[in-house]
Amino acid sequence: SAVISQKPSRDICQRGTSLTIQCQVDSQVTMMFWYRQQPGQSLTLIATANQGSEATYESGFVIDKFPISRPNLTFSTLTVSNMSPEDSSIYLCSVLFADTQYFGPGTRLTVL
Amino acid sequence: GESVGLHLPTLSVQEGDNSIINCAYSNSASDYFIWYKQESGKGPQFIIDIRSNMDKRQGQRVTVLLNKTVKHLSLQIAATQPGDSAVYFCADDTGTASKLTFGTGTRLQVTL
Repeated sequence: SAVISQKPSRDICQRGTSLTIQCQVDSQVTMMFWYRQQPGQSLTLIATANQGSEATYESGFVIDKFPISRPNLTFSTLTVSNMSPEDSSIYLCSVLFADTQYFGPGTRLTVL
Repeated sequence: GESVGLHLPTLSVQEGDNSIINCAYSNSASDYFIWYKQESGKGPQFIIDIRSNMDKRQGQRVTVLLNKTVKHLSLQIAATQPGDSAVYFCADDTGTASKLTFGTGTRLQVTL
């Protein structure tokens, strides 16, 4: 399996600010994904990030709000921009490795 | 879009008993199914997966059963232990686990 780390593990932010979440994997992977999981709920895919191309966003998510970088095969960042309390959630990255998705530990974001 | 759902939001099982977590999916084109375990404060952990050319697959203390006729998936955990307490998610995809659709989750509570 792939081992994935995320930074920060949690943060408390003020509304109107932005937070960049980092995702690092211990193997080179083509596909990385970013999900949002609101408390007590299931996972919702935000976007798919392939190295060397623009991220593909799911319905309801836009690049201006959630810009993503994918500079190489082991790293990606997700920025949550101009935050509001509604952005309080757990943000998870995952990777496709050996035809299976493996998840990081998540970043718990609270927006005040 | 189509979605994957779970029948029971909470399942309480006595330690040592077997657990069965059920999942219904609606996309008849789905051919890949996966179960994740998510403990509090952690990211989803891969448990077991199955492709549509199989109807049963076994792992360590876990078995996944797939009934394509009625679009039903189940996860069986043998000799349930307190460490099995978590939320369990099923997910499906039509190809290579690159576009997973997650169910709502079932909380498994193991009582002593």
